[in-house]
Amino acid sequence: EPEVTQTPSHQVTQMGQEVILRCVPISNHLYFYWYRQILGQKVEFLVSFYNNEISEKSEIFDDQFSVERPDGSNFTLKIRSTKLEDSAMYFCASSPISSGGGYEQYFGPGTRLTVT
Amino acid sequence: AQTVTQSQPEMSVQEAETVTLSCTYDTSESDYYLFWYKQPPSRQMILVIRQEAYKQQNATENRFSVNFQKAAKSFSLKISDSQLGDAAMYFCAYRGIQGAQKLVFGQGTRLTINP
Repeated sequence: EPEVTQTPSHQVTQMGQEVILRCVPISNHLYFYWYRQILGQKVEFLVSFYNNEISEKSEIFDDQFSVERPDGSNFTLKIRSTKLEDSAMYFCASSPISSGGGYEQYFGPGTRLTVT
Repeated sequence: AQTVTQSQPEMSVQEAETVTLSCTYDTSESDYYLFWYKQPPSRQMILVIRQEAYKQQNATENRFSVNFQKAAKSFSLKISDSQLGDAAMYFCAYRGIQGAQKLVFGQGTRLTINP
């Protein structure tokens, strides 16, 4: 069964450094998302991406964040200058266009980002 | 803006028993989707069940079923014949129907299964 993959599974970085989190969505999906989950808290939406542009972004997704789909398969989240509060689990998700369907979002296993 | 509330931070149930997890939501939209996701200790998000708001019939998926009360904006999850593998965080989520709509999650309920 196709699945969303994410790399790396765990990233440790120093405050102020740039990180790029990578995702490979399911191949025939057209909507892509990033969410984050600070330990012990709920999952929060960051950004959605469709047709090579951002569809919606949350207040969390400030100028330090950017997303890109550099080729036909990868979907990346870049944090330009990490802060301690960026430490969280970051989930990538993808969704097909499915008339009559639930537009279910399929989640990757997540990347745990630790900022020290 | 839509909000999702799960008022039970923790629940526990004896193995083989039935447990119900509560969820309420707020929206001004008339059509939308509701989901329950399971997050085991691995922290993978796994879709458990989905409900379309325009359907009156409650969704079921094997041992999992929902009680969807649209007027009350309530969407509870019932797990029958609980198994040790059901132990996880459970998140209720809302999604609008237009385009690349985001999921709005509740705070989660941690479910413990007692052997």
